[in-house]
Amino acid sequence: DTEVTQTPKHLVMGMTNKKSLKCEQHMGHRAMYWYKQKAKKPPELMFVYSYEKLSINESVPSRFSPECPNSSLLNLHLHALQPEDSALYLCASSQGVHTDTEAFFGQGTRLTVV
Amino acid sequence: QQQVKQSPQSLIVQKGGISIINCAYENTAFDYFPWYQQFPGKGPALLIAIRPDVSEKKEGRFTISFNKSAKQFSLHIMDSQPGDSATYFCAATETSGSRLTFGEGTQLTVNP
Repeated sequence: DTEVTQTPKHLVMGMTNKKSLKCEQHMGHRAMYWYKQKAKKPPELMFVYSYEKLSINESVPSRFSPECPNSSLLNLHLHALQPEDSALYLCASSQGVHTDTEAFFGQGTRLTVV
Repeated sequence: QQQVKQSPQSLIVQKGGISIINCAYENTAFDYFPWYQQFPGKGPALLIAIRPDVSEKKEGRFTISFNKSAKQFSLHIMDSQPGDSATYFCAATETSGSRLTFGEGTQLTVNP
């Protein structure tokens, strides 16, 4: 199983809502990532978890709150988002945090903030 | 500061032709160079990767050429097929670090 599963696939939320994005992998990978991707742009790294601990936060606004409940799950909690936060949110995992190990990406959650 | 420059932004190739995408980097500490392929509505998928100790790597119809002195690398897709139509991102990283630096992407269209 080389799959990273993200739910939901699509999400529309208002600026006052609270929602969560979920990511799951069963490859035994110890590094997990959240990326944000705008249309026709490359993915931008948001957070890196290594062995269930947050190791990198790329100065992401606090309205995005990551959580890693266990080695297979990664959540991204969303609160008070802005319309400019509308994007494709990608989860990825890799065997180790060093990036010469292949990163497997999920299909992403298409988020629209209204 | 954009550390990986990718060109062209878009590319149209006829079926059976050769697609060539170029990337240039600035950081001499980069030591791992993957290429990702992304179809609409999907996440990126690793296509092929190279380290600077070799000048070329081939996997099927996909070849990476690497020029360390020029700090450039390129992806060649031989016998391009309509199914290759996707966005391609080059990337670079220091394997001692945790961040991939992506190029801006190339939207490839292969016409039947």
